[in-house]
Amino acid sequence: GAGVSQSPSNKVTEKGKDVELRCDPISGHTALYWYRQRLGQGLEFLIYFQGNSAPDKSGLPSDRFSAERTGESVSTLTIQRTQQEDSAVYLCASSGSRLTNYGYTFGSGTRLTVV
Amino acid sequence: SQQGEEDPQALSIQEGENATMNCSYKTSINNLQWYRQNSGRGLVHLILIRSNEREKHSGRLRVTLDTSKKSSSLLITASRAADTASYFCAVGAGGTSYGKLTFGQGTILTVHP
Repeated sequence: GAGVSQSPSNKVTEKGKDVELRCDPISGHTALYWYRQRLGQGLEFLIYFQGNSAPDKSGLPSDRFSAERTGESVSTLTIQRTQQEDSAVYLCASSGSRLTNYGYTFGSGTRLTVV
Repeated sequence: SQQGEEDPQALSIQEGENATMNCSYKTSINNLQWYRQNSGRGLVHLILIRSNEREKHSGRLRVTLDTSKKSSSLLITASRAADTASYFCAVGAGGTSYGKLTFGQGTILTVHP
């Protein structure tokens, strides 16, 4: 597609349940990023995939968070045993392997609400 | 932390005025980028400046970078009500962290018609 697609756009889940968030990057973009944004805050880096290299997981806040990416396509971010503090907008972005003047392209995000 | 820190946190101006937002960071960078966010959802890339560049223009946007002071500024000239949004700077690391952007907390800009 023309842009980065994220689904679902909104998700309400009960505390303790697992959730999966999906990101479809721009075709041909080798790099994919997940960020979390709490209400009124900046973006918090979670994880970064670049081609076939090992992902940079340094931003994952706990072992309840994990992410996978198959090749250079779709990525899923999984949050197990959700907690209320996980409520946030989860943003995905993609970019090419070489730095250009176009930066990252972001999706519209998934708004996760844990009740 | 390499995180960009924006100043001011909020800025309120009248249409037609210029808006200046500043960003400071702590370590060496490969590049610095500015993004705009409307309504708390997806971010839109505005402009990228590389560490060996000092100034860049794009339409009504002007970005400067001073690596000796570890700071950048974003100037929006002749602002419009449609420029109302949150603006974030993001610093791009080099070396083994190449490609990873670290965002600041943002500046909320309100342009009154």
